[in-house]
Amino acid sequence: DIQMTQSPSSLSASIGDRVTITCRASQTINTYLNWYQQKPGKAPKLLIYGALSLQSGVPSRFSGSGSGTDFTLTISSLQLEDFATYYCHQSFSIPDTFGQGTKLEIK
Amino acid sequence: EVHMVESGGGLVKPGGSLRLSCEASGFTFSSFMMNWVRQAPGKGLEWVSSISSSSEYIYYADSVKGRFTVSRDNAKNSLYLQMSTLRAEDTAIYYCAREVYSGTYRDFDYWGQGTLVTVSS
Repeated sequence: DIQMTQSPSSLSASIGDRVTITCRASQTINTYLNWYQQKPGKAPKLLIYGALSLQSGVPSRFSGSGSGTDFTLTISSLQLEDFATYYCHQSFSIPDTFGQGTKLEIK
Repeated sequence: EVHMVESGGGLVKPGGSLRLSCEASGFTFSSFMMNWVRQAPGKGLEWVSSISSSSEYIYYADSVKGRFTVSRDNAKNSLYLQMSTLRAEDTAIYYCAREVYSGTYRDFDYWGQGTLVTVSS
């Protein structure tokens, strides 16, 4: 199975900050990497697919980059509604696997 | 509007069985691969199973293989997960998720709200 390692596990930031979350795959996954946002008590929401494509309706302050084994999710200017937990997801090979999550909290 | 609603969760004793359902609307259900993903309380996401549009391809996580069975009824726009020989570690919220695939990406673009399964004596 492909292991996905996210960092950091948690992050404190302020509104307006630029934030970067990283995800590393244990083997190459090309661009089969997705990012989800999850708020407490809610289902995950797709933000970025194919490593860098913005899902319809997602604000442009979210962006993704990377290929192969190393990927990043960047939020250019944090808004109040962005405080949540973020997961990366490799869909290159079954079984699909997720990173352990990054909890983004208000400083 | 795409909408998926899971049901069938509840409290079950270890060794027991439960059948989850996911009813879909707002899209052509029969054209999409579907997945089950679970989340133990306070933990991360774990992929459980997937089933292709016509049920010809079915996959399971090792943790549930031989105990869980995924199926679908395209006439009823519904996805199912039959769970048996349940263990405490199966306790989780179970989400159904629609899969989208192209030549360069594959993702879960819509999720249901989830149904909670608790395995406890």
